[in-house]
Amino acid sequence: LAKTTQPISMDSYEGQEVNITCSHNNIATNDYITWYQQFPSQGPRFIIQGYKTKVTNEVASLFIPADRKSSTLSLPRVSLSDTAVYYCLVGERSGGSYIPTFGRGTSLIVHP
Amino acid sequence: DTGVSQDPRHKITKRGQNVTFRCDPISEHNRLYWYRQTLGQGPEFLTYFQNEAQLEKSRLLSDRFSAERPKGSFSTLEIQRTEQGDSAMYLCASSLHRDQETQYFGPGTRLLVL
Repeated sequence: LAKTTQPISMDSYEGQEVNITCSHNNIATNDYITWYQQFPSQGPRFIIQGYKTKVTNEVASLFIPADRKSSTLSLPRVSLSDTAVYYCLVGERSGGSYIPTFGRGTSLIVHP
Repeated sequence: DTGVSQDPRHKITKRGQNVTFRCDPISEHNRLYWYRQTLGQGPEFLTYFQNEAQLEKSRLLSDRFSAERPKGSFSTLEIQRTEQGDSAMYLCASSLHRDQETQYFGPGTRLLVL
């Protein structure tokens, strides 16, 4: 099973850059890495997705090394509203089927 | 609102009762996923559909759980003979079938079994 491992929690301060790393040693060759943000009592919200190297959008960057066994979500200049749980998602592909696998997530707390 | 919707948002039931949850995906999305999430854990995959076909159901938690998507649009998740351990958030997500599999989630249905 494509298992992911993330730090359970992180603390930061407003205006700092935050980097959250996820390991996914068994990622399938054709699988993408997707990161989600989740606030309490809400469904996860898509942040960013990538396959290799670096991807950047208006809210985050995603760094994926050549071996693709890990990925790092980078949040520039966090604010209090970035306090949330962050999940990386990879999938297991078997016989044409796709099983998405979330880790336990990283609880990020941003302090004033 | 053109996002994924779920109904009801909250459900309280007594042990042994059956419950059914509904999910309406984003209209052009042909894949629909169901997850369960308990406190402090990430979403746990249950099953998914492509159009009306249920492509993966081996992760449904027991034979008390079943899901349907009869016309390839909305989907229902039913739990029969509920148990207290079924108390959780049930999430639905949808996606366009493509390599990237970007899923968009609904707000979830929170189930409490007394």
